[in-house]
Amino acid sequence: GAVVSQHPSRVICKSGTSVKIECRSLDFQATTMFWYRQFPKQSLMLMATSNEGSKATYEQGVEKDKFLINHASLTLSTLTVTSAHPEDSSFYICSAPLLAGGLETQYFGPGTRLLVL
Amino acid sequence: DQQVKQNSPSLSVQEGRISILNCDYTNSMFDYFLWYKKYPAEGPTFLISISSIKDKNEDGRFTVFLNKSAKHLSLHIVPSQPGDSAVYFCAASVSGDYKLSFGAGTTVTVRA
Repeated sequence: GAVVSQHPSRVICKSGTSVKIECRSLDFQATTMFWYRQFPKQSLMLMATSNEGSKATYEQGVEKDKFLINHASLTLSTLTVTSAHPEDSSFYICSAPLLAGGLETQYFGPGTRLLVL
Repeated sequence: DQQVKQNSPSLSVQEGRISILNCDYTNSMFDYFLWYKKYPAEGPTFLISISSIKDKNEDGRFTVFLNKSAKHLSLHIVPSQPGDSAVYFCAASVSGDYKLSFGAGTTVTVRA
């Protein structure tokens, strides 16, 4: 299957600092990528859709000024958690769709564990 | 509003037996369904998918069944192996939209 990477895999930061998470599609191009977060023992919640060459689309309840998304190229999207607070501690996962055989399948990165102290 | 529901939070099955995971959806616009497997602190891994034009799709030990009239799908794993122990997520989308709606997940434990 297609490969999606994320960096860093784990980050610990102080409250008030900003953290950048990178998502790369390694063997295919993705004009669209998605950012999810997962709290312990809960499902994946879509945060936003990252669009190459245009603004990201945020889901209801997600602060666009808090979670900055930049889709710099066809293989890279970044999520910056600005002025992070302890409640932002979560598992962040990105995905990229690949169209094959007329069907699109989302391939996920390995996730980034963010802990804000 | 949860559009995709996995009502069984956990399932325990003997090694070698069949695991059956169930998923229900409410949005009749969904026409593409996927199952993902997830280990703790890792991203979901794609397992198998099915389009609404089919009612069954099989890939090795994994078979997905779709009942459109009941808005229900299931994943069968046979035979179950210890390495199958993980959280399984059902997801649904509208073709061309790419956005996925996930169920809450079912934790499968395969007993040796």
